[in-house]
Amino acid sequence: GQSLEQPSEVTAVEGAIVQINCTYQTSGFYGLSWYQQHDGGAPTFLSYNALDGLEETGRFSSFLSRSDSYGYLLLQELQMKDSASYFCAVREQAGTALIFGKGTTLSVSS
Amino acid sequence: DVKVTQSSRYLVKRTGEKVFLECVQDMDHENMFWYRQDPGLGLRLIYFSYDVKMKEKGDIPEGYSVSREKKERFSLILESASTNQTSMYLCASTPQGTYNEQFFGPGTRLTVL
Repeated sequence: GQSLEQPSEVTAVEGAIVQINCTYQTSGFYGLSWYQQHDGGAPTFLSYNALDGLEETGRFSSFLSRSDSYGYLLLQELQMKDSASYFCAVREQAGTALIFGKGTTLSVSS
Repeated sequence: DVKVTQSSRYLVKRTGEKVFLECVQDMDHENMFWYRQDPGLGLRLIYFSYDVKMKEKGDIPEGYSVSREKKERFSLILESASTNQTSMYLCASTPQGTYNEQFFGPGTRLTVL
């Protein structure tokens, strides 16, 4: 079966760095995506990794190791507005929908 | 900007009613998706469509059906609503070949009494 595992909750303080891990077990793999969802809002796309390595987008970076079936989202210089849920998602087959993890709730305090 | 809209933000229905949730996107996207989101369970795919009149079952299609008569509109139908279908329903769309970046609507919070 398919599964994506990520921590349910992470807490941090403003200005800190936090890493949200995601391990996946799927029959196929066509990329790992990350989404952010603020309370009461819609998920919004953050990043996508198809190949091994680090992708950087401003304060956020995403990493993928296909051999380890593992990725992470790295958030730097945390701000209060980063408090949200973060979901990893895998595309298991070409041309199909994403499988989402259960989400990690990040709480940033001052 | 891509805009995905959903017909209602909040909806209250009674057990056994037929419920229609509508989703419209304005960017000519080929792919459209319906998810439900429940606390601690993340987003679970109900159905998706990659073209007009085409549909594919997701992970939890039981108790639901869909309709895509026009490219911009994807409807989710609860044939006979039950209390365990109380949830947040999210619609999303992507253009052909860009499956990883999905654009989501604001969601419909459905309560079935």
